[in-house]
Amino acid sequence: AQSVTQPDIHITVSEGASLELRCNYSYGATPYLFWYVQSPGQGLQLLLKYFSGDTLVQGIKGFEAEFKRSQSSFNLRKPSVHWSDAAEYFCVLTSGGSYIPTFGRGTSLIVHP
Amino acid sequence: NAGVTQTPKFRILKIGQSMTLQCTQDMNHNYMYWYRQDPGMGLKLIYYSVGAGITDKGEVPNGYNVSRSTTEDFPLRLELAAPSQTSVYFCASSPFGQGSSGELFFGEGSRLTVL
Repeated sequence: AQSVTQPDIHITVSEGASLELRCNYSYGATPYLFWYVQSPGQGLQLLLKYFSGDTLVQGIKGFEAEFKRSQSSFNLRKPSVHWSDAAEYFCVLTSGGSYIPTFGRGTSLIVHP
Repeated sequence: NAGVTQTPKFRILKIGQSMTLQCTQDMNHNYMYWYRQDPGMGLKLIYYSVGAGITDKGEVPNGYNVSRSTTEDFPLRLELAAPSQTSVYFCASSPFGQGSSGELFFGEGSRLTVL
């Protein structure tokens, strides 16, 4: 069975500070991995995705994520956080073997001025 | 290109009433999903469909029904609404299996309150 773990329920950072949101997965083969962002009262928007090739992927809004097979991780990073980045972030896994996406429980990002 | 459209955006129901949440996508995606999101609980899959005429239960299907008569539409019906169905509902579609890795495209959500 596949699973996604986001170990941090809440993360608080100061505006301008760097950010790393953790995501660990469990899957026997190479997964397809995604990060989505949900701003308050909004739907989910795709930030970036990995399915093959370069393990460092760039996304929208200055975000990037690195796929590390040895650590079963796909952590999301941003070098300098803006107040508008305050939102809920979801790590999601799909695979060639399942068309039911597996969601992490989400990480709530709080940005202090 | 409208993407995934959900209606209504807000609705208040009385206990025991029924209603249908509409979802339409114009991207010709085979896969469609209904999720509910409760505060701090992430997204839970209610029902999904892999194509017209094919639907299946997700994690929390009780109290809901779906149909998929066309590729574009995937309505979610609530029968005998209960307070436990107060939630935000999201419809999503995906081109999974159509040469895609399975990116999800979400609607803006429907906020339902049952009193």
